Amino acid sequence: SQKIEQNSEALNIQEGKTATLTCNYTNYSPAYLQWYRQDPGRGPVFLLLIRENEKEKRKERLKVTFDTTLKQSLFHITASQPADSATYLCALAGGGNKLTFGTGTQLKVEL
Amino acid sequence: GAVVSQHPSWVICKSGTSVKIECRSLDFQATTMFWYRQFPKQSLMLMATSNEGSKATYEQGVEKDKFLINHASLTLSTLTVTSAHPEDSSFYICSASYQGGYGYTFGSGTRLTVV
Repeated sequence: SQKIEQNSEALNIQEGKTATLTCNYTNYSPAYLQWYRQDPGRGPVFLLLIRENEKEKRKERLKVTFDTTLKQSLFHITASQPADSATYLCALAGGGNKLTFGTGTQLKVEL
Repeated sequence: GAVVSQHPSWVICKSGTSVKIECRSLDFQATTMFWYRQFPKQSLMLMATSNEGSKATYEQGVEKDKFLINHASLTLSTLTVTSAHPEDSSFYICSASYQGGYGYTFGSGTRLTVV
């Protein structure tokens, strides 16, 4: 069966460090993968999309890598700030443009 | 651009009553909208896909008679939770696709509490 797995344990890092979150998937052949941010009690907010033929994508302090051989995406936040604290979700699109989400990883950036 | 407005943001209702949640695309036409449910500390689970002018497609295990979805126009989709019970208490989120399906924008969610 199809699975998208993210580290369910919260990631605590110090302000200024780089946060790295992992998304692994099985039984998918995605054309692209997306990352979202979700704050408590709010809907997800789109951050980045990376296509299967792209190895890396950057947007300001964010960087996403996509390894279709390993079936893995890494999401990096450089120079992290307390305001980056949130839950980060990866998502893959399947048939009918339906998005399936990973379990999410909660990031806490401490002063 | 590509904003989805969802209302209400929270609602408390009595067991046995029905609740309607609205999702509007403000600055684009949403041919397809999606409805998700999220329980505490869990991920979003897709409930159904609604296409304008046709019946919604429900995911396995989602009761179509309990969760009524209407997508009567290109800018409005509604989810009605009928005969709500405490186990229906959850966070409901709508989403719409744009840019040929590459982009997805989400509503701010509705916290439903059934007492």
